[in-house]
Amino acid sequence: GAVVSQHPSWVICKSGTSVKIECRSLDFQATTMFWYRQFPKQSLMLMATSNEGSKATYEQGVEKDKFLINHASLTLSTLTVTSAHPEDSSFYICSANPRGLERGEYEQYFGPGTRLTVT
Amino acid sequence: GQQVMQIPQYQHVQEGEDFTTYCNSSTTLSNIQWYKQRPGGHPVFLIQLVKSGEVKKQKRLTFQFGEAKKNSSLHITATQTTDVGTYFCASRAGGFKTIFGAGTRLFVKA
Repeated sequence: GAVVSQHPSWVICKSGTSVKIECRSLDFQATTMFWYRQFPKQSLMLMATSNEGSKATYEQGVEKDKFLINHASLTLSTLTVTSAHPEDSSFYICSANPRGLERGEYEQYFGPGTRLTVT
Repeated sequence: GQQVMQIPQYQHVQEGEDFTTYCNSSTTLSNIQWYKQRPGGHPVFLIQLVKSGEVKKQKRLTFQFGEAKKNSSLHITATQTTDVGTYFCASRAGGFKTIFGAGTRLFVKA
């Protein structure tokens, strides 16, 4: 089946530093990748949608200068949390839609998530 | 913006009992998806419904999309301990952007 990986799986950083999280579709090309944030025992909050080669579309309330998204290829998207603060501590999950689906088909594959703790 | 409300927030059942979670919207949805997230895991896509009144089954799971396309349900027959987790409904709003409901957390007692 389709696999999406994320790296790192967890990271602890100091306040004020930046952290990069990678999301890769391992065995398929992704037309679109998404970045979500999930707080403990809560739902997923969509942060941004990224398409290869174009600027990401951010959801209302998400600071694009703080959460930098780069979608360099059809298999890789990165999220950089800049000048991280403790309130940025969260579980960040990416997902990807595979390319080449038949009309009417829909699939979305999630990465395992990255737990970020900012001290 | 588009929102999907999900109830109940959580449910405890005895193994073998049935379970249903409901998803409602004040606006007509073009589609509805269901996901399962095990404790400590990531969401796994279960199914997508797009047609009014559509019903789909996956073994013990039955998914329904309302006639007015404003509500959906997921029913599990004879729950098992492996069904434990949080079930999310979601809807794709414009392109591939997906908005998630709050989720229903299922606890199954053996």
